[in-house]
Amino acid sequence: SQKIEQNSEALNIQEGKTATLTCNYTNYSPAYLQWYRQDPGRGPVFLLLIRENEKEKRKERLKVTFDTTLKQSLFHITASQPADSATYLCALDITGGSYIPTFGRGTSLIVHP
Amino acid sequence: DTEVTQTPKHLVMGMTNKKSLKCEQHMGHRAMYWYKQKAKKPPELMFVYSYEKLSINESVPSRFSPECPNSSLLNLHLHALQPEDSALYLCASSKTKDPNTEAFFGQGTRLTVV
Repeated sequence: SQKIEQNSEALNIQEGKTATLTCNYTNYSPAYLQWYRQDPGRGPVFLLLIRENEKEKRKERLKVTFDTTLKQSLFHITASQPADSATYLCALDITGGSYIPTFGRGTSLIVHP
Repeated sequence: DTEVTQTPKHLVMGMTNKKSLKCEQHMGHRAMYWYKQKAKKPPELMFVYSYEKLSINESVPSRFSPECPNSSLLNLHLHALQPEDSALYLCASSKTKDPNTEAFFGQGTRLTVV
């Protein structure tokens, strides 16, 4: 069956370090992958979209990679800050061309001062 | 204006009540979505409207009834809900269903069914 996997354990890092979050998927070849940030009790906020023919995308301190061979996306936050603490969700089109994003369960990031 | 506005923010309803959740956007987006999110789980797609027409219904029980009166508004009518329907209900919109477009989410309605 098709699955999106994100590490369910929280990632704890020190302020100033680079946080790296992983999104793995199985049994599908999505045309794109998106990353969202979600704070408790609030709706997700779009961060970045990367297409299958793009290896890497950057936006300020954020970097996303997309390896269609490994079926994996990595999400990096450089020079992390306590304000970056949140849950980060990856989303991809897992329903075969309908282009409706299906979300992974997210990884909680905690940045310690 | 890049906001998706959902009302109410919180709702407590009995199992025999009828209530509605409302969602509004003024970004000219033609795709609108309802998601349901339980604690520590990802958002789960319920319905998709594209150009005011119901495009996707993800096998949602009939006690949830969506409505798209115009391109800016999306409603979710609730009737005879069960306690397990308690969740955060999120509305989202995007320019179209095109995969190159990002989705903008509202802050959600926290629904409690008693």
